[in-house]
Amino acid sequence: EVQLVESGGGLVQPGGSLRLSCAASGFTFSRYWMYWVRQAPGKGLVWVSRINSDGSSTSNADSVKGRFTISRDNAKNTLHLQMNSLRAEDTAVYYCTRGGYSAGFDIWGQGTMVTVSS
Amino acid sequence: QSALTQPASVSGSPGQSITISCTGTSSDVGSYNLVSWYQQHPGKAPKLMIYEVSKWPSGVSNRFSGSKSGNTASLTISGLQAEDEADYYCCSYAGSSTLYVFGTGTKVTVV
Repeated sequence: EVQLVESGGGLVQPGGSLRLSCAASGFTFSRYWMYWVRQAPGKGLVWVSRINSDGSSTSNADSVKGRFTISRDNAKNTLHLQMNSLRAEDTAVYYCTRGGYSAGFDIWGQGTMVTVSS
Repeated sequence: QSALTQPASVSGSPGQSITISCTGTSSDVGSYNLVSWYQQHPGKAPKLMIYEVSKWPSGVSNRFSGSKSGNTASLTISGLQAEDEADYYCCSYAGSSTLYVFGTGTKVTVV
């Protein structure tokens, strides 16, 4: 079964750090570009970060530039999102998703909740 | 980069057809045939319904169809069913700097 499973979410104070992980299974992880998309409570979807198939190229949304870093370990079929200098507005469910079709995110994880609060 | 504009809500009766619009700019929807649509039920992850404006991913019903004219993309749901009640989001590629922008989301209600 093709699957993405996120972990690492939780409650963190403003200014703190958190590292999210996404374990992929059921497909050849190293062939796909991967993405993080977040959704604040009661709000819409927002693209956060992207990494190409071999990890040599990354992009971040302006709202997280300089604070978030996406990375991957193709040997372990795992995607990561290192989040530093967290703010209240980063509070959201974070989804990892696969770029399986041209500009289409075809496989999604169940999401992991990140809450930034004192 | 602002979110693409969608109506907050659309409703229809079972069997009817409804259309959700997604309005962007010449920098995103208008420049690329790379619009996708997602269905999201409460508490669940989004599901890809349409990619590249009008193509179906494997396993998605052809009751869902997509189109685009200028800076506006549209998703039409034909033969509306109770299980179609969900939130729908459009998404467009927006160039190498911004990459992707999602729509504001539309709640579809089957009355």
